[in-house]
Amino acid sequence: NAGVTQTPKFRILKIGQSMTLQCTQDMNHNYMYWYRQDPGMGLKLIYYSVGAGITDKGEVPNGYNVSRSTTEDFPLRLELAAPSQTSVYFCASRTEPGLEKLFFGSGTQLSVL
Amino acid sequence: EDKVVQSPLSLVVHEGDTVTLNCSYEVTNFRSLLWYKQEKKAPTFLFMLTSSGIEKKSGRLSSILDKKELFSILNITATQTGDSAIYLCASNTGNQFYFGTGTSLTVIP
Repeated sequence: NAGVTQTPKFRILKIGQSMTLQCTQDMNHNYMYWYRQDPGMGLKLIYYSVGAGITDKGEVPNGYNVSRSTTEDFPLRLELAAPSQTSVYFCASRTEPGLEKLFFGSGTQLSVL
Repeated sequence: EDKVVQSPLSLVVHEGDTVTLNCSYEVTNFRSLLWYKQEKKAPTFLFMLTSSGIEKKSGRLSSILDKKELFSILNITATQTGDSAIYLCASNTGNQFYFGTGTSLTVIP
């Protein structure tokens, strides 16, 4: 019962470095999401995808990129990391319309110094 | 702009107390309202509400939605220390889920 798997769990980046946060799900969900959570700020949507080959911007997409080449994988790319991207990142997937419950990965704690 | 507002931001109670957490929403194309509990790590699902006036219940937790006044409440009775967490509500608008900032609940023994 893997569900939604995120790697890595922790990462420290230097300003200007790049990295990819990995997310994979084994529930055959078409919908997948990337959120960031800053202290006391709830979750903000970065990008989402409604199926392989389709992605769309959320509330806070600047500084990030995504791709969705398969149903299972939805990686999030940070280019030129900045201190403002220090946050906890959650990947989530969703059941089909009518049973719209989000399943979350365990999160990635990212610090940009 | 779609938004979800939760109150209070934080709450400290003693074991055995009853608490009410509030969530109001202003979103286009509302489909459902969800409640999650977050302890340290990923949020875990509590309730999904789609119809006004119908209470969802799970043990000591219950929730209800008012679609006319655009709000939901989450009640926790006979609180326990294990209820200490951040409680998030989210509004589903079809493809997207908009989250509130959460209510941080601390239950003191």
